[in-house]
Order: sequence, then C-alpha cells, then structure tokens
Amino acid sequence: NAGVTQTPKFRVLKTGQSMTLLCAQDMNHEYMYWYRQDPGMGLRLIHYSVGEGTTAKGEVPDGYNVSRLKKQNFLLGLESAAPSQTSVYFCASRPRDRERPNYGYTFGSGTRLTVV
Amino acid sequence: AQSVSQHNHHVILSEAASLELGCNYSYGGTVNLFWYVQYPGQHLQLLLKYFSGDPLVKGIKGFEAEFIKSKFSFNLRKPSVQWSDTAEYFCAATTGLSLGGYNKLIFGAGTRLAVHP
Repeated sequence: NAGVTQTPKFRVLKTGQSMTLLCAQDMNHEYMYWYRQDPGMGLRLIHYSVGEGTTAKGEVPDGYNVSRLKKQNFLLGLESAAPSQTSVYFCASRPRDRERPNYGYTFGSGTRLTVV
Repeated sequence: AQSVSQHNHHVILSEAASLELGCNYSYGGTVNLFWYVQYPGQHLQLLLKYFSGDPLVKGIKGFEAEFIKSKFSFNLRKPSVQWSDTAEYFCAATTGLSLGGYNKLIFGAGTRLAVHP
C-alpha cells in the first residue's frame, strides 16, 4: 500500500546510545517532516525537508540530526540519546503545493522510543 | 509566531451527546486549517480541512468544522457522538504559500475525547 512507512515501530535505548529512525514514502512527495508527540503537548516539529538534499530545523531540533539523501527517505538520528527524548515520533510527507494545493499530509504509524 | 490553541484537554461525553471542540489560531494572513484524529495506538488521520470557500467544512464520520475568520477559530462539531469516536483530536494550521512553500503544519496540544456508552 502506498504511504509513509516508519521503522522501527518500537525501540528501547540506553542513555548515550545512538540510533536512526527511517521514514520512507512512495508517493513522490517533495516535503517530509519529523514530529515528536508528547502528552499534553501535541505534535512538535523537529526537522523538515523541502526536497532531496535539503533539511531545516523545526521547533525542537536540539539533540537530533536528519538527512534526506534520497527523495523517498528522511532519516532522523539521535547521536546520544537522553531520557527527555522518550517520545512517539511521527514522520509525515506531502507533495509540493503547486502540484496538489488542497492535498493534506500523510502520516506514518509512528515509532515509540523509550530512553532509559 | 504562529500558534494553535485547543481549549479543552479532556472531554467526557455520553453517547448521543453533541460535541464541540474549540480551536483558535494566531496568524493574520492566509491560513489553512485541519482537524486530525488519532485513535488509540494509531497514527493521525485527517478528519477535514479548510483552504478556502465555504467556511462550513464537512468531513468524514459526520464531523464538521466552521471557520470564523473574525474569531480566528475553527471549532470541530458533531451532533451525536458514538463510543467509537473515543480518540484524541488535534487542530492544526499551516500558512499559505507566502513562506515560499516551506509549509509547516503547527499542531495544537490535542483534546482527548472519551465517549461512554
């Protein structure tokens, strides 16, 4: 099925460990986003990308890095995990506005990360 | 800075009761508005969206929302809720194309709705 696929779905890390979350979309979308969801705070934007090879910071970028080497993939990296990064991470994608101006975002199913 | 506020963090209703969830945004220019729903353990799904035109927007599952520009509001409504509507609801906003296409979606904190049979 077409859509946004996130791997892994669950992960437990020890403080200081590193890991990479993968987001893959097969809809040829230009824009991709990484959000974190915390209770009572909604979804907050970590980083986003408006095209292959470009990334930008969102609201809460500290402690994360991203890469968009291929149009279909958007990777989120944690270099040294901290308990404050325990969260549910959602990836989303959407096409460029002029192609489908009324088209919304497509979200992945999320990655539940626990840092102990 | 652009922001989205949801007034109620938790709402508890009985089946068949009417629902209205408040949402206000802070942005004076062109804005696109969305309501998303997240059922327990699932990802976000789009309920409805407003880009332009008729300010009363109808979405899936009997939900509707009204855009009131003068009040900067986009409240979600449903005349009669069901147990299956138990979920978390997020209002979100994104500005128009004025940001050069860097179209970021800003979410409210969410409202948890519990519907009792």
